[in-house]
This record gives sequence, C-alpha cells and structure tokens, in this order.
Amino acid sequence: QQQVKQSPQSLIVQKGGISIINCAYENTAFDYFPWYQQFPGKGPALLIAIRPDVSEKKEGRFTISFNKSAKQFSLHIMDSQPGDSATYFCAASMNSGYSTLTFGKGTMLLVSP
Amino acid sequence: DTEVTQTPKHLVMGMTNKKSLKCEQHMGHRAMYWYKQKAKKPPELMFVYSYEKLSINESVPSRFSPECPNSSLLNLHLHALQPEDSALYLCASSHGQGKGENNEQFFGPGTRLTVL
Repeated sequence: QQQVKQSPQSLIVQKGGISIINCAYENTAFDYFPWYQQFPGKGPALLIAIRPDVSEKKEGRFTISFNKSAKQFSLHIMDSQPGDSATYFCAASMNSGYSTLTFGKGTMLLVSP
Repeated sequence: DTEVTQTPKHLVMGMTNKKSLKCEQHMGHRAMYWYKQKAKKPPELMFVYSYEKLSINESVPSRFSPECPNSSLLNLHLHALQPEDSALYLCASSHGQGKGENNEQFFGPGTRLTVL
C-alpha cells in the first residue's frame, strides 16, 4: 500500500531529447507528489511537485503529468541537457503536520552530448 | 534563507568511537528529519521530529540517538556503529503544518559516514 513504483531504473537520452520517467502508486490517501533530483554526493533537491487535483504542472523544461484514475504520474524533461544527468526520485506523501515521503527506487538519467 | 546545513561533510569513525552529526535550518520549520541513504538507493527515513518532539522512529537501532535541542537544530549521536552503517546521512526540514507545497521537504547536502 505504501509503495511507489518507478521506472525505468536507468535512462540514456541524447542531448535535446525528451526524458520520461514514470511512477505508479497504490495508496489513494497520497495527496502530494514531488520529484527530487540528486547529483552524486549531494542531497536531493526538490524539482517540481503536483497535487492530485491538477493533471499537469510545468516549470521550465520540467513537466509533471498526473493521472489520478490510473494512479500514475510522470516527469518529462524537454530539451534534455548533459547537466540534467542525475538520479531522479519520485515520491508521494500524505500530509498531516509533518510529511513522510515514500520514495520510488530512483532513475539514473544520463544525457549524452 | 532556504538552506539546510549539515556538518561535517565527511566523517570516518571506528566501531568504538562516539561522534555526532549536526543539522541546522533557519527557515522557521518545525519538522525535521533524519534519513539514511545507501548508494543507488532512495533515502530511507530514520527519525522525524515535530515541534521538537520525536514523532517517528523507524525502528532504528539504539546506536543511533537523535536529539532536537531547539527548533533550528537537529543532532544525530552515533555510538558503536557497524561497517554496514556507512552511508550518506541526510537531514531535511519542512514547515510541519499545512499540506502539499506548503509542507515540502528541503534536504541538506548530507554527511558521508564511513565506519571502519
């Protein structure tokens, strides 16, 4: 019930291409879905997040698509750049006071020049 | 200031040592978190403090002892660790109230711990 499934495990995209990472969840009580970007040796940084009452959110080259009925959400990185090469984690939480994040297993993205 | 700071950046300790990790935030957040992250794995929640009170302990061994001296500071005291405890230890904070984007977690850079 608490699991968030993320795919693919790794992804290689050419510079300028579109990177797509998918996540699925089971627990319908989740009400907040952030994506984190993590570079080697650094802490995760919040990239973009969405709530289930919105089907899409865009910030610059990053877009989250959310399908509430399918219990799936995805991250699209447009015009992918070598600097986007990092590990991406999707997460879900049920906010009540403090939030506890349930993370996906992560996707290692490599954008080739 | 939207930063969570952690010290030290790196720590090497023997199995009989006692050491502490420190985390600080000045965003007025009232929830603070400790995570452990192994290579190529997601962060794994260890402890949650809400309003300086321990709210969640994810069955963490007693060789890890958290402390929240005030609303800006979070410590993790380490004693008699095992080599398998070597990992990146992350601190995070959030508002501690509200929902969604009002309660997003900000992570620090982490402390890379090596236990010999």
